[in-house]
Parts: sequence; structure tokens; C-alpha cells
Amino acid sequence: DTGVSQNPRHKITKRGQNVTFRCDPISEHNRLYWYRQTLGQGPEFLTYFQNEAQLEKSRLLSDRFSAERPKGSFSTLEIQRTEQGDSAMYLCASSLEGQGVLETQYFGPGTRLLVL
Amino acid sequence: RKEVEQDPGPFNVPEGATVAFNCTYSNSASQSFFWYRQDCRKEPKLLMSVYSSGNEDGRFTAQLNRASQYISLLIRDSKLSDSATYLCVVRRGANNLFFGTGTRLTVIP
Repeated sequence: DTGVSQNPRHKITKRGQNVTFRCDPISEHNRLYWYRQTLGQGPEFLTYFQNEAQLEKSRLLSDRFSAERPKGSFSTLEIQRTEQGDSAMYLCASSLEGQGVLETQYFGPGTRLLVL
Repeated sequence: RKEVEQDPGPFNVPEGATVAFNCTYSNSASQSFFWYRQDCRKEPKLLMSVYSSGNEDGRFTAQLNRASQYISLLIRDSKLSDSATYLCVVRRGANNLFFGTGTRLTVIP
């Protein structure tokens, strides 16, 4: 399977714990994105990497959230001191730079987080 | 005001029906437009890009009206397998995608 993969697919944690999610993009894609989706809403942008550089962060990305892409390949998203409001589906997407307006983001299956 | 607004539905239509979804976007600087499909508890998948002149892909037709900041999706001859949530998406700036809340479609036998 050469699509975007995410691990774990599900995570249940207690409030106050730290969690880390991993995303492996499509291999030749140099752009990687994190989104969050809650029930009944569309995905909301969190942050974006081009290669290893984190170029943009949403206001939604509080200081408890940190994302890395150290080698420009896989990325991790860590949430510290989780809160119940962090419960959501965390989606990763990747795309290939250089296709102009037709550049398409391909999404992974997501990590569903439940904070108790 | 939300970046992208859609009627959340639900739309319940019989097999074979034609159904249309509409979407408006608030920022005239939006550059690219898409429809994504999302099945229950699955990730969004690109259905089609929306071009300025309008475009068709089989039973699906997308239209864009930049002056009115309006995007539409028409599905002809609905199939049971078309049941899903349809997300209207715009891109503005670097690469951020802005999603609507989605319109839920159920095609009934």
C-alpha cells in the first residue's frame, strides 16, 4: 500500500497524559499536513511541513501541541497534558510540490483520539 | 463568518435521482476548489477538482462561479454507493485547505 499511513489508528488516554501520533506520507511527497476533525465538522488545518521545515501553524495548535518532521519523511504530532476537548480524529495528508493549482492532498486513515 | 459554508443536509434521495449540492466561500483570494468525499469513519478522498469553466467526470459535474463565490456539485443517476458526506474545499495561500462541514447524502433503494 503506497498511500498515507497513520499510527495508531485509535488511541484512548486519560486526561493529562501525553500522546504521540505518527504519519508516513506517500514516499515522493515533500509536503505534509496535519488536520483535526470533530464530529459533524470538516477537517480543520493544524500545521504544514515542506520537507523538514514547519512553514505554517494554525491558531488551533496550542502550545500543548507540537509537530515534527525531522528528516523530511515521516512526521509526529504530540499532544501534551491532553484534555477532553482534544478528542477528535487527527488526519495527516501529503502532497507533491510543483503542481500549481491542481496540487492534491491525499489523506491518511486518521488517528481517532478519545480522552477520558 | 466561516471560510466555507455548506448545507449539512441530510439529503435522502431515491436511486436514479439527480441531486445538487451547493457551497459558498467567503474569501475572494481562494485559488483552488475541490469536492472531497468522506465515508463514515473514513478519511476524505478527492472526488474532483473544480475548474473555472466547469468540469464533468462521469455522473458528476462541478461548477464554479467566482463572481458569486459559489461552487456546486451535481450527481446524476444516483447509486447506493454514492451515499457519503461531500465536503466542499477551497485552497487559499500556501497550501491550507479549508473544508466545509460537509453535506450528507443517503441514496435510498
